[in-house]
Amino acid sequence: GQQVMQIPQYQHVQEGEDFTTYCNSSTTLSNIQWYKQRPGGHPVFLIQLVKSGEVKKQKRLTFQFGEAKKNSSLHITATQTTDVGTYFCAGGNTGGFKTIFGAGTRLFVKA
Amino acid sequence: EAGVAQSPRYKIIEKRQSVAFWCNPISGHATLYWYQQILGQGPKLLIQFQNNGVVDDSQLPKDRFSAERLKGVDSTLKIQPAKLEDSAVYLCASSRIGSNQPQHFGDGTRLSIL
Repeated sequence: GQQVMQIPQYQHVQEGEDFTTYCNSSTTLSNIQWYKQRPGGHPVFLIQLVKSGEVKKQKRLTFQFGEAKKNSSLHITATQTTDVGTYFCAGGNTGGFKTIFGAGTRLFVKA
Repeated sequence: EAGVAQSPRYKIIEKRQSVAFWCNPISGHATLYWYQQILGQGPKLLIQFQNNGVVDDSQLPKDRFSAERLKGVDSTLKIQPAKLEDSAVYLCASSRIGSNQPQHFGDGTRLSIL
C-alpha cells in the first residue's frame, strides 16, 4: 500500500540556523499537505501543494513539491524558538479521497 | 468559525473496560476522520466518513473498535474492550467535501489504559 516516509526523525538546531525536512512517497501523489503540531497540541494545516515542481513560501517557510510528485520538502530559514514542534507531511493518493501522514520530523530549537 | 470539538480531553481506564469519544466537526464539513496517534508517531487513520457513510475503515480494528456518524454531523468512536496498546491520543478531524481537502483537527482525547 501507499507509504509516506519522512526524514529526519528529529533535528536539533541552534536558533538562527536553517532546517529542512524531507518527505518521500512510494507512489505518485495527487497533492501534498504539510501540518505543524506543537508539543501537547494537535496538527495544524500549513499548506497544500498540487502541481508538479510547485514552490510556495510562507514567510521563513519554503515548501517544494517534486517534479515526479513523489517527494516534497519543507525548509525553514533562520529558525526561531516558535518553530519548535513536529512537522508532518501528508500525501494524497491519486484516487483523491485518501491522505497518508508521514511519521513527522520533530524540531528542537536551542536559544 | 468554531473549531472541531472533542470530549473528553483525558480518559483513564483499566484494560478490558470500554470507552467512548465524541466529536463535533466544523459546521458544513461533510468529511470526518478519526485518527490514533501514539506518542512519537504520526496520526494513523482509523476511519473516514463522508456525511454518514464510511469511506475508509481499512485500519480500524473492528473486533474492538466501532464508530458511527448517524446524522452526518457528530460522531462517536468506541473501544470495547480496551487493551494496553490502545493508549494513545485519539484525534478527530473534519474537512470540506472534495478530494484531499485540508483537515482541521480537534484537541484530541488522551487515553491511558492501566
